[in-house]
Amino acid sequence: ELKVEQNPLFLSMQEGKNYTIYCNYSTTSDRLYWYRQDPGKSLESLFVLLSNGAVKQEGRLMASLDTKARLSTLHITAAVHDLSATYFCAVGYSGNTPLVFGKGTRLSVIA
Amino acid sequence: EADIYQTPRYLVIGTGKKITLECSQTMGHDKMYWYQQDPGMELHLIHYSYGVNSTEKGDLSSESTVSRIRTEHFPLTLESARPSHTSQYLCASSWGADEQYFGPGTRLTVT
Repeated sequence: ELKVEQNPLFLSMQEGKNYTIYCNYSTTSDRLYWYRQDPGKSLESLFVLLSNGAVKQEGRLMASLDTKARLSTLHITAAVHDLSATYFCAVGYSGNTPLVFGKGTRLSVIA
Repeated sequence: EADIYQTPRYLVIGTGKKITLECSQTMGHDKMYWYQQDPGMELHLIHYSYGVNSTEKGDLSSESTVSRIRTEHFPLTLESARPSHTSQYLCASSWGADEQYFGPGTRLTVT
């Protein structure tokens, strides 16, 4: 069974602090996606990771993929309030299998 | 920029009514998906399609039906709406097993 686990599911962090969100998956894959969702909105794509060792950065967010460990991380540097949102990881498999999404990490950045 | 559209964006309807949620994409993607999501919660895949005239049920048992007569169009129909159907419905599309692009969502309330 394909499983994707994110942790933590809820995260409250202070502005200026660093933190990492983890995404573990159960079956070999070499493609992983991170999405952001603001309250009441839809999902928007953040990062596409398509190979072992892939690292992508945008602003205060950096995502990486370790296919051997079946692990992706989303690192937040010096958090600001605008980063408050829910972050989903999704794992892709070959064939016609849809992406498998984690349950999401609800991030709240407080002053 | 992804072009995927959903109508209506908001709908309040009485119990027992038949409703159709529309989803269209202009990217020529072969795969399309419907998700149900309660506010701040995980995504539940309810239907997906590999291409024209192909539809599959997702992980969440649903009383809805879908059709895929044209590549760009993937409507979702509820034959008899119930209060338990109150939720947000997200449509997405992708090319093969690649990244999914999401529409803005339809927020449905059944009274």
